Amino acid sequence: DIVMTQTPLSLSVTPGQPASISCKSSQSLLHSDGKTYLYWYLQKPGQPPQLLIYEVSNRFSGVPDRFSGSGSGTDFTLKISRVEAEDVGVYYCMQSLQLRTFSQGTKVEIK
Amino acid sequence: QVQLQESGPGLVKPSGTLSLTCAVSGGSISNNNWWSWVRQPPGKGLEWIAEILHSGNTNYNPSLKSRVTISVDRSKNQFSLKLSSVTAADTAVYYCARLEVATLRYYFDYWGQGILVTVSS
Repeated sequence: DIVMTQTPLSLSVTPGQPASISCKSSQSLLHSDGKTYLYWYLQKPGQPPQLLIYEVSNRFSGVPDRFSGSGSGTDFTLKISRVEAEDVGVYYCMQSLQLRTFSQGTKVEIK
Repeated sequence: QVQLQESGPGLVKPSGTLSLTCAVSGGSISNNNWWSWVRQPPGKGLEWIAEILHSGNTNYNPSLKSRVTISVDRSKNQFSLKLSSVTAADTAVYYCARLEVATLRYYFDYWGQGILVTVSS
């Protein structure tokens, strides 16, 4: 089974400041087809998760460009260039190389 | 716009079977996407449970496989989850979701609002 580990588990950010979340997988998420099956989701309070980033660095439809993803192999990062109040919630990374596994999540709050 | 709606009992007795259904609207369940269940215990993270294709092909989380059955009813455009021998540890919000595969993306793009299922006597 592929294990996904995120750090930090919580983050308190001043509006307008950047934020960064790390995600590590227990094995490479690079498939032989050349794609890396790593995704980022945001779960806002009381809502189901919503997709932010797919295949490491591609923003999903409607996702603001202040969100960006990077990384390769087993190490990945989600960055928010300027945090806004609406960005609060829990961020999860997920792998789809071998079935599906979520990380434990990072709770982001506003200072 | 695809919409998913979970339904089923909100309370299940210990050792019983949890049964949920997800109704799909705004799109056919018979397209080339996988239909999934994901759960979230109160205050905790997300756990993928299982997924099914319209043809009946299935995948299960190995940690739950012995207790889980997922099925699809194409005539009703819905799919279902059964989880047997439940304990308090199975108390969670259960989400149904679509796994986009038709474009080879393998992400969850549509989710239901979730249904809280409590296991208690």
